[in-house]
Amino acid sequence: ELKVEQNPLFLSMQEGKNYTIYCNYSTTSDRLYWYRQDPGKSLESLFVLLSNGAVKQEGRLMASLDTKARLSTLHITAAVHDLSATYFCAVDERGTASKLTFGTGTRLQVTL
Amino acid sequence: EPEVTQTPSHQVTQMGQEVILRCVPISNHLYFYWYRQILGQKVEFLVSFYNNEISEKSEIFDDQFSVERPDGSNFTLKIRSTKLEDSAMYFCASSLLVSATDTQYFGPGTRLTVL
Repeated sequence: ELKVEQNPLFLSMQEGKNYTIYCNYSTTSDRLYWYRQDPGKSLESLFVLLSNGAVKQEGRLMASLDTKARLSTLHITAAVHDLSATYFCAVDERGTASKLTFGTGTRLQVTL
Repeated sequence: EPEVTQTPSHQVTQMGQEVILRCVPISNHLYFYWYRQILGQKVEFLVSFYNNEISEKSEIFDDQFSVERPDGSNFTLKIRSTKLEDSAMYFCASSLLVSATDTQYFGPGTRLTVL
């Protein structure tokens, strides 16, 4: 059974600081997604990573994928309060998007 | 921008009652999904649907659950006899899935409360 673990589960950081969220998964897959969820809201797609070494950037967020290590990272640069949300990684085990297995989520709180 | 819509936003029901949750996927999408999220927990896959049939389902999706695409636009999830533990946020998603970069787009969710 595919397991997807994120750490940390909760992250409180000050504005302007950098930090990285880690997503480890237990089986081979070269298709990984990052989603953002605001409290009480739906999931917003941030990144789709499709191959080993893939790197995507949008604003202050940068995601990368290392399929050999079964690891994806979401790096936050110079955090701002608007980035406060819960971030989920999700793995598409078979590469067919028939099913996403989500990580445990990382709740990010950016303080002034 | 096209989006997935869901109704109702909140459904309260008594244990043992049937509920139907409704979704309108993005119009040209071919794949449809239901996920659920118990409060404070991670998102869990329930079922995927393609070409008018279930393509995959999880262990959660037992005989109490069913899905249907009754017409060209709606996609429904029915829970026949609700249990307390069915209380959760239910998300519908859809995907076009013709290119490698296609992702699943999620609706706003229906919060189901079983009393």
